[in-house]
Amino acid sequence: GQNIDQPTEMTATEGAIVQINCTYQTSGFNGLFWYQQHAGEAPTFLSYNVLDGLEEKGRFSSFLSRSKGYSYLLLKELQMKDSASYLCAVSGSNYQLIWGAGTKLIIKP
Amino acid sequence: DAGVTQSPTHLIKTRGQQVTLRCSPKSGHDTVSWYQQALGQGPQFIFQYYEEEERQRGNFPDRFSGHQFPNYSSELNVNALLLGDSALYLCASSGPDSSNQPQHFGDGTRLSIL
Repeated sequence: GQNIDQPTEMTATEGAIVQINCTYQTSGFNGLFWYQQHAGEAPTFLSYNVLDGLEEKGRFSSFLSRSKGYSYLLLKELQMKDSASYLCAVSGSNYQLIWGAGTKLIIKP
Repeated sequence: DAGVTQSPTHLIKTRGQQVTLRCSPKSGHDTVSWYQQALGQGPQFIFQYYEEEERQRGNFPDRFSGHQFPNYSSELNVNALLLGDSALYLCASSGPDSSNQPQHFGDGTRLSIL
């Protein structure tokens, strides 16, 4: 079957660095997306990885290893506004996005 | 440049009723996907429309149906509503090859079934 696993909840301190992991097993692979979702709001796109390696975009970076079925989202210089859920989604076969349940990130002062 | 718009924002229905939710995609997008998101869960794929046809469908019963119009806007219809249908319904739009393009989401319709 198809499955995406993420930790349910993580806590970090303002100004620190946090890594959110995502492991996946899917039929077909056309890339992996990370989205941010604040409570009561729509998900917003953060990053897309289709090749192995690290993609850096400001304070956020995303890493992919296709052979290991593994990705992580790295958030640096954490700010209070980064408190949100972070969703990992894999583009499998037939145009379908398979979503993880999301990781709720709590930032403490 | 308008993003994805959904209506209504909130809706309250009773069991057995029918509901229609509406979505206008982001300008330049022609593909619309619908998702159901329960509280504390990730979005669950319902179906995707492209060129006015259902291109792919997730694991949802036939009570869930949809339509796409020539202007790319879309509707989601749910018949014979159940308590378990209470959720946030998200519409997302993208270009035709959504497998490698980010989807842009609307703010969703929160549906409550009493």
